[in-house]
Amino acid sequence: DGGITQSPKYLFRKEGQNVTLSCEQNLNHDAMYWYRQDPGQGLRLIYYSQIVNDFQKGDIAEGYSVSREKKESFPLTVTSAQKNPTAFYLCASSIVSRTGLISNSPLHFGNGTRLTVT
Amino acid sequence: GQSLEQPSEVTAVEGAIVQINCTYQTSGFYGLSWYQQHDGGAPTFLSYNGLDGLEETGRFSSFLSRSDSYGYLLLQELQMKDSASYFCAVSRLTGGGNKLTFGTGTQLKVEL
Repeated sequence: DGGITQSPKYLFRKEGQNVTLSCEQNLNHDAMYWYRQDPGQGLRLIYYSQIVNDFQKGDIAEGYSVSREKKESFPLTVTSAQKNPTAFYLCASSIVSRTGLISNSPLHFGNGTRLTVT
Repeated sequence: GQSLEQPSEVTAVEGAIVQINCTYQTSGFYGLSWYQQHDGGAPTFLSYNGLDGLEETGRFSSFLSRSDSYGYLLLQELQMKDSASYFCAVSRLTGGGNKLTFGTGTQLKVEL
């Protein structure tokens, strides 16, 4: 079955350490995204990528970094510069329409990684 | 700036109809989507409105009025399994590309 795999489901780190969250998809989607969700909040866009070797900052990119070396993979690194890293991180993917627009394409989400930094 | 507003919580009984409203203020508006998320789970896509009017998918319908910057999700014949959070999300075209911005979500509780 096609889908998006995020690992691990739970992650614990000490303050000051960088940590990388994995996201892999086998849906053959061109676009991939990282969102952060805090309790009782909506999803906030961290980074997104519409094509391999290219990515764009979202609304809250500070303290995060990404890479897109392969179509299937879009890992997110939470750096020590991120002031409040404890959150639920969701990866998603979508197609890019023939017009190049991704706005109207449904997002397919992974099951998320819950990161706790102490 | 931009904003999306939706009620934080709605309660309804099994078998009833419930409407979740969403008002938005944003530049570069392209369309409105709805997603469902059960506790601790992955959001799943429900519907998309790019044009004014009603879109129907089974028990769920979604409506958009661009002139009023307003949309809603209508859930009919409510079932216990519909208890979840529902997010509206605006698609917008920006100088940096295409973005999907989510509201803070409406928690729907379905009671017997």
